[in-house]
Amino acid sequence: DGGITQSPKYLFRKEGQNVTLSCEQNLNHDAMYWYRQDPGQGLRLIYYSQIVNDFQKGDIAEGYSVSREKKESFPLTVTSAQKNPTAFYLCASSRLAGSNEQFFGPGTRLTVL
Amino acid sequence: SQQGEEDPQALSIQEGENATMNCSYKTSINNLQWYRQNSGRGLVHLILIRSNEREKHSGRLRVTLDTSKKSSSLLITASRAADTASYFCATGRYGGSQGNLIFGKGTKLSVKP
Repeated sequence: DGGITQSPKYLFRKEGQNVTLSCEQNLNHDAMYWYRQDPGQGLRLIYYSQIVNDFQKGDIAEGYSVSREKKESFPLTVTSAQKNPTAFYLCASSRLAGSNEQFFGPGTRLTVL
Repeated sequence: SQQGEEDPQALSIQEGENATMNCSYKTSINNLQWYRQNSGRGLVHLILIRSNEREKHSGRLRVTLDTSKKSSSLLITASRAADTASYFCATGRYGGSQGNLIFGKGTKLSVKP
């Protein structure tokens, strides 16, 4: 089964704690993306990566960090510096050549208690 | 920064009716894509229309693109209750990295049985 997976589905965090969200894909896609979605809103880009060991800030990178040590994996860390981290987080991947259709994971809902 | 803006924000129709959603964007594009999101889930790619295309069909979906007006529409014919979801348009970032998309805030469609 090819696809993109995220874990966990639900995550609860106390204020002041860092937390890491997992994203894995077996589609052999070069590019991977992290988005944040707030209720009734569209998607806002946090970080993206087009190649292993390289990544770029998106529109709302403050308070977040990522790594891309493997082509298949693009974990997102929500740090204590993120002022309002409660949101729905979506990971996506795409090829770079041809169509830039993005394939999405099922999302992680993060709640800060 | 928002590139695509969907209209209306919400749409409620009866099963069997057609649903039309519109998207406007601001800058030149290579293609425009439509995605669907069921509540609490990831996005699913529906259809991509290239800038040199005016209309495209996929099953009950019909997408049009008017580059002179910088607008697109998504028509779902003979709607079903299972079409209830949010629908987003997405365009590439002008001058941005290939594969990098900007999503609108979406149209929330409710199809009543």
